[in-house]
Amino acid sequence: AQRVTQPEKLLSVFKGAPVELKCNYSYSGSPELFWYVQYSRQRLQLLLRHISRESIKGFTADLNKGETSFHLKKPFAQEEDSAMYYCALSTNDYKLSFGAGTTVTVRA
Amino acid sequence: NAGVTQTPKFQVLKTGQSMTLQCAQDMNHEYMSWYRQDPGMGLRLIHYSVGAGITDQGEVPNGYNVSRSTTEDFPLRLLSAAPSQTSVYFCASMGNTEAFFGQGTRLTVV
Repeated sequence: AQRVTQPEKLLSVFKGAPVELKCNYSYSGSPELFWYVQYSRQRLQLLLRHISRESIKGFTADLNKGETSFHLKKPFAQEEDSAMYYCALSTNDYKLSFGAGTTVTVRA
Repeated sequence: NAGVTQTPKFQVLKTGQSMTLQCAQDMNHEYMSWYRQDPGMGLRLIHYSVGAGITDQGEVPNGYNVSRSTTEDFPLRLLSAAPSQTSVYFCASMGNTEAFFGQGTRLTVV
């Protein structure tokens, strides 16, 4: 069975500081990894997926199969980055398994 | 496009009452699912469907029923509400590259 672990429930950083959200997973096959974000009073939405290798809103995430990690990073945090972030893993049958989530607060 | 429409946004139930959370999508996706979101536990899969007429249990199915008579609709039924079902519920529709979520239903069972 698959499992996604986000060790940090809360993360507080100053504006302009780097931010890194940790995500580790366990799955015996080849997973597809995602980061979803939920801004205040908005619905959950896709931030990025490992296959696309994009940088979205300044965020990047690299899949490290050796360490089974998919950490989310941004070099300079902005106040609008304050949100709840979920790491998620998808298996071949389209099921998404989510981590517990990390609440990020960016202080001015 | 409306995407995923979920109703109601808020609901208060008494213990033992039943209700149905509605979910509709207009993207012609085969795969739909229901999650509950609880503090410190993330989103947990309740039930899912891979197409009309096909449903299956997720991680936390007890106390919930689903049906999928059409591609568009995937309602979630609470048979006899319990305080442990107080949560925020999300419906999702899965495309090829990402999941699209409804706005959520905040349910309180007293």
